[in-house]
Amino acid sequence: GAVVSQHPSRVICKSGTSVKIECRSLDFQATTMFWYRQFPKKSLMLMATSNEGSKATYEQGVEKDKFLINHASLTLSTLTVTSAHPEDSSFYICSARPRGRITGNTIYFGEGSWLTVV
Amino acid sequence: AQKVTQAQTEISVVEKEDVTLDCVYETRDTTYYLFWYKQPPSGELVFLIRRNSFDEQNEISGRYSWNFQKSTSSFNFTITASQVVDSAVYFCALSGGYNFNKFYFGSGTKLNVKP
Repeated sequence: GAVVSQHPSRVICKSGTSVKIECRSLDFQATTMFWYRQFPKKSLMLMATSNEGSKATYEQGVEKDKFLINHASLTLSTLTVTSAHPEDSSFYICSARPRGRITGNTIYFGEGSWLTVV
Repeated sequence: AQKVTQAQTEISVVEKEDVTLDCVYETRDTTYYLFWYKQPPSGELVFLIRRNSFDEQNEISGRYSWNFQKSTSSFNFTITASQVVDSAVYFCALSGGYNFNKFYFGSGTKLNVKP
């Protein structure tokens, strides 16, 4: 089946630094990828929609200057948390839809990335 | 607006007991999809089932079964003869409307299966 890989799976960074998380579709092309955030013991909330070759679409309340999303190719989207603070510590997970598919039954999730800001 | 409610925050059962996880959804769309995912402590989302809004047929897969009732906007998940390995957080999710790729997740139900 289709595979979506995230890297790193776990990262610890110092407060004030930036950290990049990658989301790759390994065996399919994805024009659209999605980034979700999960606070401890909470649900997953959509942060933004990453569109290949264009700007990301952010959900209401998500700071686009803090969470930079770049979808540079059909197989890679990156989320950069800039000037990270401890409150940014969270589980970040991406999903991707294979190019050409339009139904909601072909979304694949990555394994997620745990970010801890100290 | 799309909304998914999982009223059960945490459930504890003893191994071999049956357990039902509730999911109630809200949507104005006539075409939508419902999902259940399992999230073990490692964090990844394990796909369990997808149902489209036109298919109300209940489904059974091994010890898992799902009851989709449009009349009550519910999509409940039952685990029969639960096992310790079933311990995880389970999420119900909804997608639909103009963007089937955008998922709305419930708050999750943590299932603890004790030996």
